[in-house]
Amino acid sequence: ETGVTQTPRHLVMGMTNKKSLKCEQHLGHNAMYWYKQSAKKPLELMFVYSLEERVENNSVPSRFSPECPNSSHLFLHLHTLQPEDSALYLCASSQVWGQRGGSYEQYFGPGTRLTVT
Amino acid sequence: GDSVTQMEGPVTLSEEAFLTINCTYTATGYPSLFWYVQYPGEGLQLLLKATKADDKGSNKGFEATYRKETTSFHLEKGSVQVSDSAVYFCALRGATALIFGKGTTLSVSS
Repeated sequence: ETGVTQTPRHLVMGMTNKKSLKCEQHLGHNAMYWYKQSAKKPLELMFVYSLEERVENNSVPSRFSPECPNSSHLFLHLHTLQPEDSALYLCASSQVWGQRGGSYEQYFGPGTRLTVT
Repeated sequence: GDSVTQMEGPVTLSEEAFLTINCTYTATGYPSLFWYVQYPGEGLQLLLKATKADDKGSNKGFEATYRKETTSFHLEKGSVQVSDSAVYFCALRGATALIFGKGTTLSVSS
């Protein structure tokens, strides 16, 4: 595997279900991100992890719970979601922001298309 | 706060037409600027970047020049192809992550 991978690619869940999205990066990066992409809305940054520590949480509802067990893996745990949470969830990785000589380029996975019924 | 404004789409062109997608930004200082492209069913891919004023980023026939006087980073291509149909995002380096514009959909017909 190369780059950033995300599983599953598609997920349909009921409002009472609990599920998790997984992201894995094979680029040697140490910062990871979750974004939400809804139709006709700009990309929304949800969470930022740098060196496995959460450094940003943009007022995301508690029904979304991130986890970063190591620099290569990022999870988004979902529970009691609402229909408006249906969207494409994108994971990205990069070198640590502000790292000397860092390029600030983020590399994205293909996304998980989530539908909440 | 820092932000990016892109022209509203969709942009519809015939093959071999000239493309311009406007992007302006508001930021403290002179952050690195980026264009990303998203093809249907895929994530975002870096298309080009510029790290300082007057830099020109280029890739696959696309170009953009970092203009600090006009706080702009317009994307151009001299001759578009059907395969260029996608959504294009302008972005700037924020404090902890990239800050993206809303995206501009480009549709190219043969």
